[in-house]
Amino acid sequence: ETGVTQSPTHLIKTRGQQVTLRCSSQSGHNTVSWYQQALGQGPQFIFQYYREEENGRGNFPPRFSGLQFPNYSSELNVNALELDDSALYLCASSLKWSGQYEQYFGPGTRLTVT
Amino acid sequence: SQELEQSPQSLIVQEGKNLTINCTSSKTLYGLYWYKQKYGEGLIFLMMLQKGGEEKSHEKITAKLDEKKQQSSLHITASQPSHAGIYLCGADMKTGANNLFFGTGTRLTVIP
Repeated sequence: ETGVTQSPTHLIKTRGQQVTLRCSSQSGHNTVSWYQQALGQGPQFIFQYYREEENGRGNFPPRFSGLQFPNYSSELNVNALELDDSALYLCASSLKWSGQYEQYFGPGTRLTVT
Repeated sequence: SQELEQSPQSLIVQEGKNLTINCTSSKTLYGLYWYKQKYGEGLIFLMMLQKGGEEKSHEKITAKLDEKKQQSSLHITASQPSHAGIYLCGADMKTGANNLFFGTGTRLTVIP
């Protein structure tokens, strides 16, 4: 158990809808990163939040947006869902950003878009 | 990710056998992470390596980062069914986005 929790566990949405995924960081961690993992692939970086500010973004369109709250929990919002958005969404928390600090992942949210 | 290549893609071993998984990059790795993932679940942190030539062990798993910091290996001694899963290497390449790049993973099956 890493102390990082995500909700919901599973979600089924229809193309064009909007979805919000949630993540609670490990205690003491002020940085949250979100990743998308398609079936059979490694996780792909979406964006990172540090102290409530976006601190880096991967190659994802603007319809992927996020928030980090004062308690360091975070949300990932995806608008206008597409079939290719079906994936496992992972959040990872760390003390500051990667490279020098260990990143701990949550169990993920499985999103299915039909 | 094309930045990190993992090999082999899958591995089937008999219980008790040793095995090695490799992770190779064309760029310098500033932080190299090894994770284990059960199918469809989150990533379990195994080890982090930062210095060239660094080696770390935990129980029967040993990870090394080469001197040039472009290749890492994960070695499991006397494999057990509990070692089965997908092993992923993730790396910080100092691209400015503060993220980890991941390989596509190695699926390990251990036959009792």
